[in-house]
Amino acid sequence: SQQGEEDPQALSIQEGENATMNCSYKTSINNLQWYRQNSGRGLVHLILIRSNEREKHSGRLRVTLDTSKKSSSLLITASRAADTASYFCATARNSGNTPLVFGKGTRLSVIA
Amino acid sequence: DTEVTQTPKHLVMGMTNKKSLKCEQHMGHRAMYWYKQKAKKPPELMFVYSYEKLSINESVPSRFSPECPNSSLLNLHLHALQPEDSALYLCASSQDFQVLGNQPQHFGDGTRLSIL
Repeated sequence: SQQGEEDPQALSIQEGENATMNCSYKTSINNLQWYRQNSGRGLVHLILIRSNEREKHSGRLRVTLDTSKKSSSLLITASRAADTASYFCATARNSGNTPLVFGKGTRLSVIA
Repeated sequence: DTEVTQTPKHLVMGMTNKKSLKCEQHMGHRAMYWYKQKAKKPPELMFVYSYEKLSINESVPSRFSPECPNSSLLNLHLHALQPEDSALYLCASSQDFQVLGNQPQHFGDGTRLSIL
């Protein structure tokens, strides 16, 4: 079964606005990763946050992690049309050498 | 431009054909992956290779046969596929197999496969 579940499934905003996507997961994790996928392309790694971290920044991206609630959020500030893509969270269980499992994703549309 | 190169970009084949998908990376990564992705769905893991050896097979039907000839190359051999196998097939790599989930994965742009 899927480890991560994103919310919302789809999000449409105006250019310049902030976009927030959420991810919930079920089991203890070692870290959580966010990926972006533009239409017809492969996934691009955005950011990795470890289980002992609460917040991480990368350019216009801000990721938070709340292990007590088993949830993470991805904030994109001052969105641009080029941010239009699907965004996936990915987790690996904190036991054994297990591969990443991707959530269902959020489809973000940024309207110019 | 991605650092993982997949060929071909598009492939149309009949159910009786045999074809192969190819993936190449020159980042010195020792773990390589095949994923299957249907439209508007997340990638689903198929196989993981670590140091050219098959480490994980996610109960994939035998009509998909992976091969890792060397540390830079990964192939996926296809035979007698079904229409439901039509999907985007993504290859990815990561630095090492140890603690898989701790490492970012680098993806190619995929092969769009259509089965007639």
